[in-house]
Amino acid sequence: EDQVTQSPEALRLQEGESSSLNCSYTVSGLRGLFWYRQDPGKGPEFLFTLYSAGEEKEKERLKATLTKKESFLHITAPKPEDSATYLCAVQADTDKLIFGTGTRLQVFP
Amino acid sequence: ETGVTQTPRHLVMGMTNKKSLKCEQHLGHNAMYWYKQSAKKPLELMFVYSLEERVENNSVPSRFSPECPNSSHLFLHLHTLQPEDSALYLCASSRAYRDSGNTIYFGEGSWLTVV
Repeated sequence: EDQVTQSPEALRLQEGESSSLNCSYTVSGLRGLFWYRQDPGKGPEFLFTLYSAGEEKEKERLKATLTKKESFLHITAPKPEDSATYLCAVQADTDKLIFGTGTRLQVFP
Repeated sequence: ETGVTQTPRHLVMGMTNKKSLKCEQHLGHNAMYWYKQSAKKPLELMFVYSLEERVENNSVPSRFSPECPNSSHLFLHLHTLQPEDSALYLCASSRAYRDSGNTIYFGEGSWLTVV
């Protein structure tokens, strides 16, 4: 069964304290892995798409990486405005888009 | 102007009411989606429209009725809802349906409370 698991469920960081969020997946054929940011009460905002193992993408303090079994979202020197829930979604070869339950990140000054 | 616009942002309705959620996309996309987001659950796909034709209906109760009059507009008609239907309803669009690496763009969502 296709599955996407995100960890940790919640993460509290001090401003400037770098860390990583994990998205592990078991799907029948990966066609794309997506990262979204979601602020409370708002819709998910698209961040990155990764297509194949070894691929990396960066945007400001965020860097997404992909292996054959998981993806990491690295946050370097986070700021309080990076606080949000980060969602991972995987498109399998069935074309279904499977979402994880998200990691809720809080960054304290 | 945002790419996908949803109205209303907040809705409170009684179990016997009839209301509608509206979505408009300004991205020139051909596929539109309704998702449901409940606390601590993954996003649940409800309906998919491709070029105004419904292509997916994921076992959604008939009290939810979608309508897609054209490729830019999507509605979700609601009637005789239950309190457990209270959730964030998200509209989304993508360039095409079932494209590899197809990025989906979401609206801000409509918070629905059923009392």
